[in-house]
Amino acid sequence: EVQLVQSGAEMKKPGESLRISCKGSGYSFTNYWITWVRQMPGKGLEWMGTIDPTDSYTKYSPSFQGHVAISTDKSISTAYLQWSSLKASDTAMYYCARHASMGGDGDYWGQGTLVTVSS
Amino acid sequence: QSVLTQPPSVSGAPGQRVTISCTGNSSNIGAGYNVHWYQQLPGTAPKLLIYVNSNRPSGVPDRFSGSKSGTSASLAITGLQAEDEADYYCQSYDNSLGGYVVFGGGTKLTVL
Repeated sequence: EVQLVQSGAEMKKPGESLRISCKGSGYSFTNYWITWVRQMPGKGLEWMGTIDPTDSYTKYSPSFQGHVAISTDKSISTAYLQWSSLKASDTAMYYCARHASMGGDGDYWGQGTLVTVSS
Repeated sequence: QSVLTQPPSVSGAPGQRVTISCTGNSSNIGAGYNVHWYQQLPGTAPKLLIYVNSNRPSGVPDRFSGSKSGTSASLAITGLQAEDEADYYCQSYDNSLGGYVVFGGGTKLTVL
């Protein structure tokens, strides 16, 4: 069974760093791209970026470039989303999803990780 | 402001048919890129509903159908049921600014 399992909810202060994870199982991790999607409270889905676990080629949304970093560790079938300095505006639910290609459909999604940034 | 435009809300009575539009332009849907649709039930992760314009993943009822023409796509739901009340999002690819994935702003479906 294909699964993407994300790390648990996080509560952080502005300026702190954070890394959340997305572990794939039930399929060959390097055969699919991993995308991260943000959903702010009461808002829609926003594409943040997509990574190819084979070679770590990453494409970022212009809206998120420079503020987050996406990476993978294919030895443990895990993708990461990282911030070096969180802002209150980063408070949101974050989802990972797998895609067969850039722009392809996200056929499996993680359960989501809620990140709350507050002083 | 999303690159793909969806109506914020639609509604229908049980048993009726509703459609949700997704309007793009010549650098995304109009350029021939595929459109995918997701359903997000309250408090849950999005779920793939339609892929590559008109295909249903296994387990999705045939009450859901998708189509694409020109710079737009549509999701149709027939025989509306209370459990269909959810947010619906379209997704495609845009070849401007070096290429990126785009979502519609989402449509809230209310079953009256």
